Amino acid sequence: AQSVTQLGSHVSVSEGALVLLRCNYSSSVPPYLFWYVQYPNQGLQLLLKYTSAATLVKGINGFEAEFKKSETSFHLTKPSAHMSDAAEYFCAVSGPGRGGSQGNLIFGKGTKLSVKP
Amino acid sequence: GAGVSQSPSNKVTEKGKDVELRCDPISGHTALYWYRQSLGQGLEFLIYFQGNSAPDKSGLPSDRFSAERTGGSVSTLTIQRTQQEDSAVYLCASSLGSRHQPQHFGDGTRLSIL
Repeated sequence: AQSVTQLGSHVSVSEGALVLLRCNYSSSVPPYLFWYVQYPNQGLQLLLKYTSAATLVKGINGFEAEFKKSETSFHLTKPSAHMSDAAEYFCAVSGPGRGGSQGNLIFGKGTKLSVKP
Repeated sequence: GAGVSQSPSNKVTEKGKDVELRCDPISGHTALYWYRQSLGQGLEFLIYFQGNSAPDKSGLPSDRFSAERTGGSVSTLTIQRTQQEDSAVYLCASSLGSRHQPQHFGDGTRLSIL
């Protein structure tokens, strides 16, 4: 069965510092992996996705993530944090669904990112 | 607007009442998803519609929950005989098709059961 673990429910960095949000997955089939961001009182916004093409995936707002099969990881990084990056971030893996549909995304518990001035 | 629209944005109701939550997807998006977000459970998949295919209902937590999508567009999520554990934010999302992940989320309906 598919599952996602996000290490650290809360991460705090200084403005300009590296952002690293960790995600490990478990999947019985080659996974599709996703990172979403959620700002307060809003829905989720897709940051980036891995769908078995390039292992280094670039997303919006300067974020990127690298798929490492040997480590079953899909960590999210950004070289230099900005105040506007403060939000909650969710890693997700596509669930089995019916006929392999991608409707059933399985989300991690989320990591709240704080950025200090 | 051009985004996914959900209504109401907030709903407070008494235990035992029925509620209906509405989702207007982005025009032309054939796939529509419902998720539930709560403090204790995080984000949970509820149901997925793709075009005219039978929906994937594998995430609905009980038979008190149902959803329909009329005309391939607007969707309504209905919760009958609400319980306090149904309190959560209900998120709707849409995408272009079955080969796409839920990409566009609405801002959700915050449901509170008294």
